[in-house]
Amino acid sequence: AQSVAQPEDQVNVAEGNPLTVKCTYSVSGNPYLFWYVQYPNRGLQFLLKYITGDNLVKGSYGFEAEFNKSQTSFHLKKPSALVSDSALYFCAVRALEGTGANNLFFGTGTRLTVIP
Amino acid sequence: EPEVTQTPSHQVTQMGQEVILRCVPISNHLYFYWYRQILGQKVEFLVSFYNNEISEKSEIFDDQFSVERPDGSNFTLKIRSTKLEDSAMYFCASNVYRGPYEQYFGPGTRLTVT
Repeated sequence: AQSVAQPEDQVNVAEGNPLTVKCTYSVSGNPYLFWYVQYPNRGLQFLLKYITGDNLVKGSYGFEAEFNKSQTSFHLKKPSALVSDSALYFCAVRALEGTGANNLFFGTGTRLTVIP
Repeated sequence: EPEVTQTPSHQVTQMGQEVILRCVPISNHLYFYWYRQILGQKVEFLVSFYNNEISEKSEIFDDQFSVERPDGSNFTLKIRSTKLEDSAMYFCASNVYRGPYEQYFGPGTRLTVT
């Protein structure tokens, strides 16, 4: 069965500092991995995904994520945080095949607060 | 840029009543989904739909739930007899095809069951 863990409920970072939001996953076989962001009273907005290839993927708004197969992690990063990055971030995984292969399994979310 | 739309944005209903939540997926997408998010909790998969039938459903999606694509554009989620614990944000999503394609989410419908 697929699952995602986001070990931090809350991450605080000063504006201009690098940020990292952690995610680890469990899935049978190779994963598709996604990051979504949710602003207050809004739906989920796609940020980036890992499918195959280069372990460092770049996405919207300057975010990037590094896939680490040995550590089963897919941490979200940004070199310099903006106050406008403050939001709820969800990591999601889906398997390539088998039961649930087209469905996303989400983590519990990490609330990022960027302090001016 | 095309987007998934959902109506209504907020629905209040009494326990035991039927509700229908509506979604218009992106027009060239073939796979459709419903997810829900109970306040303060993670987003949970409910059901996926392809070629006019359910592809997969979670254990949450019991007999009280049904989905339908009544025409070429709408995708609906019906809850036959709502319970207090059905109160949640319901998100519709769609993607082009099963494969390495991200799902695009609508803004959600907040369902409050009183």
